[in-house]
Amino acid sequence: DSGVTQTPKHLITATGQRVTLRCSPRSGDLSVYWYQQSLDQGLQFLIQYYNGEERAKGNILERFSAQQFPDLHSELNLSSLELGDSALYFCASSVSRDIQGADTQYFGPGTRLTVL
Amino acid sequence: GDSVTQMEGPVTLSEEAFLTINCTYTATGYPSLFWYVQYPGEGLQLLLKATKADDKGSNKGFEATYRKETTSFHLEKGSVQVSDSAVYFCALSDRGFGNEKLTFGTGTRLTIIP
Repeated sequence: DSGVTQTPKHLITATGQRVTLRCSPRSGDLSVYWYQQSLDQGLQFLIQYYNGEERAKGNILERFSAQQFPDLHSELNLSSLELGDSALYFCASSVSRDIQGADTQYFGPGTRLTVL
Repeated sequence: GDSVTQMEGPVTLSEEAFLTINCTYTATGYPSLFWYVQYPGEGLQLLLKATKADDKGSNKGFEATYRKETTSFHLEKGSVQVSDSAVYFCALSDRGFGNEKLTFGTGTRLTIIP
C-alpha cells in the first residue's frame, strides 16, 4: 500500500459527460501528479500541483482541469468526454523538496475510466 | 525534450533465468532514474532508483546502474521467479522547480514460466 488513495476505482460513463476523479496524497506529501495510461499513448504526465498551486503542466487537454484543495487532496475533472479518453488515470504524490535528486513519486491504484 | 527508450517486449523467461531489460534515456539536464513495476490490476510501485552517475539502485534482487557515458539504466536480476511477472517501466525525472514530472518508457511485459 503506497498510502495514496484514489476514488472511484472504476467509472463508466457516456460520451459528452463530465466526471471527477479524486486523489488523497500520502501524509506529508505536498505535490500531487496526475498521469494517464492508455494503450496507444502509454503513461503520460498530465499536471502537477504543489501545496495548492499548479506547478507543471504536460499533455493535458483543455477539456481536462485539476485542482488541489487546502487539505492537499486533488481532483481531476474531465469534461465533454470522448471515446479516446478511456484510460487508467493515476495520481501520485511526493514530498517535493527541491533539492538535488528527484523525490520518489508514490502512485495510487488508479481509476479506470470507460467512455461508452 | 526528455525521453526514455525501453527494450521492446514481451519477454518470456524460464524460472531462475537471468534477466536484462535495456533502458536508455535522453535528457537536457541531469536526471534521476527509476524503475517502476506494475503487477496485474495494480498501480505502479517503485522498484529502485538512482540519482547520480555510477549510483546503483537495488531492491528485491533487481539492480540497475546509472551510466552517464552510455545514458543507460539497464535492469538486471540474476534469477527470476514466477512472482516477477509484471510490466516494468523505466522512467526519468529532471531536477528543479517544475521539472519533477516522470517521463516513462513504453514498458516491458515480463512473463516467467515455471
